[in-house]
Amino acid sequence: DAGVTQSPTHLIKTRGQQVTLRCSPKSGHDTVSWYQQALGQGPQFIFQYYEEEERQRGNFPDRFSGHQFPNYSSELNVNALLLGDSALYLCASSPTGGSKYTQYFGPGTRLTVL
Amino acid sequence: QKEVEQDPGPLSVPEGAIVSLNCTYSNSAFQYFMWYRQYSRKGPELLMYTYSSGNKEDGRFTAQVDKSSKYISLFIRDSQPSDSATYLCAMSLAGGTSYGKLTFGQGTILTVHP
Repeated sequence: DAGVTQSPTHLIKTRGQQVTLRCSPKSGHDTVSWYQQALGQGPQFIFQYYEEEERQRGNFPDRFSGHQFPNYSSELNVNALLLGDSALYLCASSPTGGSKYTQYFGPGTRLTVL
Repeated sequence: QKEVEQDPGPLSVPEGAIVSLNCTYSNSAFQYFMWYRQYSRKGPELLMYTYSSGNKEDGRFTAQVDKSSKYISLFIRDSQPSDSATYLCAMSLAGGTSYGKLTFGQGTILTVHP
């Protein structure tokens, strides 16, 4: 049973560009959450998707947006990249019918903004 | 002041030692408490979760929650070099609009040396 998968593994962009990160949840999971983890820090909640809608949002600007598809996979889009957006972006999924706090993380996408 | 405080360490112990990892928090509404282990360049791995106060044991790991003191702990018995990783505490509300949003501590870097 494959766990949470994310693509790409690494990404290098320049300031002002746009980026799209992708996530496939574990089988049997329907809720996807996205987190940003800066070096040496704990993950910070960006938003959560359930039933193809953004259900919750953390303290991130509108440059961060997302989408969930009918197969529960999800995308994170970041526009007008800033140097401070360089981080590990983590996707986590929660089981269908289970508690939303039970989250299983993927390996992350490391984004570097130059 | 951060909602969740965790000493970043680093913490270095000899193999076989008992390790104590701790977090304090300020939001008394937190009801779910989780511990994650994160190896270098990997996503966080869910170790244990508890609801409200009390203890929970799983093999060499014991999680404790003291809601009156707003303090949670993770104990690792008979520590092994393979336990060397960053340990993250995380918390969530029980319901409402922020249910399922995990708030993380900074993480404690642990090294177990042979």
